[in-house]
Amino acid sequence: GENVEQHPSTLSVQEGDSAVIKCTYSDSASNYFPWYKQELGKGPQLIIDIRSNVGEKKDQRIAVTLNKTAKHFSLHITETQPEDSAVYFCAASGRQLTFGSGTQLTVLP
Amino acid sequence: DTAVSQTPKYLVTQMGNDKSIKCEQNLGHDTMYWYKQDSKKFLKIMFSYNNKELIINETVPNRFSPKSPDKAHLNLHINSLELGDSAVYFCASSTTGGAEKGYTFGSGTRLTVV
Repeated sequence: GENVEQHPSTLSVQEGDSAVIKCTYSDSASNYFPWYKQELGKGPQLIIDIRSNVGEKKDQRIAVTLNKTAKHFSLHITETQPEDSAVYFCAASGRQLTFGSGTQLTVLP
Repeated sequence: DTAVSQTPKYLVTQMGNDKSIKCEQNLGHDTMYWYKQDSKKFLKIMFSYNNKELIINETVPNRFSPKSPDKAHLNLHINSLELGDSAVYFCASSTTGGAEKGYTFGSGTRLTVV
């Protein structure tokens, strides 16, 4: 089955700086890679996704890149704000969605 | 509001009891899921139903029994609760082929077994 590894497990940045979270996956058949944000006491919420036929996707301050050859994908958040503080999950999908272990992002004011 | 809603939000119970968690979605999705999130935030799929039919059943003790009366509802019944069952349980839904279309999650049920 699919195995998704996510790094780092915790990340602290100063407000205004950029944050990068990286994931690798094992199943070359996976073709859909969403990212979820989970705020305290809430369920994960989809924030951006990318499909295997695309190398990069951007939505305002959030961007995701995918390297299919190396089987890794990354989330980039620019100009971070305190409200970006949350747990972020990457996931990879073939038959079903497999999640990474999560990154606790803290944006320091 | 269109959403995935779970009840109850918090559940505290003693070992050995039987409890149920309910989930309902009004998004018109036909696939629903149960995930377990442990204390380290790891999300692991437990079950998946498509149009009331079980399609994914991961290695979960048979004390856990999902029930889908219709495609808008997926309930989780747990028998003989154990301390290790303490976790946050999330319900989610998607359209068919939803692994490629994103899931919508409920807000979770925090189960504490004492």
